[in-house]
Amino acid sequence: EAGVAQSPRYKIIEKRQSVAFWCNPISGHATLYWYQQILGQGPKLLIQFQNNGVVDDSQLPKDRFSAERLKGVDSTLKIQPAKLEDSAVYLCASSLGASGNNEQFFGPGTRLTVL
Amino acid sequence: KQEVTQIPAALSVPEGENLVLNCSFTDSAIYNLQWFRQDPGKGLTSLLLIQSSQREQTSGRLNASLDKSSGRSTLYIAASQPGDSATYLCAVRGGSEKLVFGKGTKLTVNP
Repeated sequence: EAGVAQSPRYKIIEKRQSVAFWCNPISGHATLYWYQQILGQGPKLLIQFQNNGVVDDSQLPKDRFSAERLKGVDSTLKIQPAKLEDSAVYLCASSLGASGNNEQFFGPGTRLTVL
Repeated sequence: KQEVTQIPAALSVPEGENLVLNCSFTDSAIYNLQWFRQDPGKGLTSLLLIQSSQREQTSGRLNASLDKSSGRSTLYIAASQPGDSATYLCAVRGGSEKLVFGKGTKLTVNP
């Protein structure tokens, strides 16, 4: 079974530029998550989708971050404009459903460096 | 607001030693607790998931326990190997159904 796929794996940009990350979840997984992991910290949930609807985006900085999950499969996370403090690893995860008993499976992440 | 703490932040042991990693959480109303492993530059690999009704889970040389009432979990690694070197993260899933992570314990197993 294929895992969660993410691209690109690495990205270096200058502040005020824009960037987009892509995630393809495990086939059949209805729930998709984007996390931000700053160096030395645990991952923090940015946004959760159930199919193509947003369940939780309370920690998403909406003035600069946006995410979509068209057709309820792949998802894109965008940052525009980027700030220095956005340097982090962005992790995508998926699960069968949003129920608390469902296990989340993580992709390899995208490491973003903002200069 | 759920907070997850992991102690110690870093641990260095000789190969073959048994070791325990600790995780504590402030709100005992959880669905489950999950232990992950993260290698440098990689994503998270799930090691063990303990449902709130369970006391422990075992996989190979790993054993995780859960004491919901005291808000604690431990990850026991038997006969450690250099390949076990990684950062171990604990995460709890509570009423909001969000996974809340600790900062992790960086483990180094020396040959």
